Amino acid sequence: KQEVTQIPAALSVPEGENLVLNCSFTDSAIYNLQWFRQDPGKGLTSLLLIQSSQREQTSGRLNASLDKSSGRSTLYIAASQPGDSATYLCAVIIAGGTSYGKLTFGQGTILTVHP
Amino acid sequence: NAGVTQTPKFQVLKTGQSMTLQCAQDMNHNSMYWYRQDPGMGLRLIYYSASEGTTDKGEVPNGYNVSRLNKREFSLRLESAAPSQTSVYFCASSEDRSQPQHFGDGTRLSIL
Repeated sequence: KQEVTQIPAALSVPEGENLVLNCSFTDSAIYNLQWFRQDPGKGLTSLLLIQSSQREQTSGRLNASLDKSSGRSTLYIAASQPGDSATYLCAVIIAGGTSYGKLTFGQGTILTVHP
Repeated sequence: NAGVTQTPKFQVLKTGQSMTLQCAQDMNHNSMYWYRQDPGMGLRLIYYSASEGTTDKGEVPNGYNVSRLNKREFSLRLESAAPSQTSVYFCASSEDRSQPQHFGDGTRLSIL
């Protein structure tokens, strides 16, 4: 069974710092990996999606990498801002899984960026 | 610029009551999904519809039914609500499984 783990569970940093969030998964046979942010009381906002054949994706200050063979992904946030404060979730779709498009989620990293 | 719209946003039910959660997307996506989010359990897939006219069970389907009414709408029904179904329910959609899933703002459901 695919399990997704995110470390750390919580992170507090001063504004302007560069930071890295980690995601690991137990089964390397994934179809793709997606990073989301969730604000309190809100839904999930898609940040980046990395296909299994890709190594990284970038969007603005965000960069996500994927090392499928080691079962790891990182989300790099450059020059963090208070508006980046949220819970960050990673999720994978298993290749050849019985549930089409089923995302298996990690528990998330709660990020606080203080001024 | 609506994306995925869920109704209602909040609901309180008594044990044994039934209700339907509504979801509609305006992105012309083929696939739609229902998840529930619980503290300590994360998000889990309840049912999904890979394309219009098809529905399939996900990880936690017991106690739920779904209807893919048309390409835009995908509803989730609780026939006889139980306290264990107290949760936040999210609907999502995507073009297909290779594309990002886009989520609604959720329905917060409490069952007493």
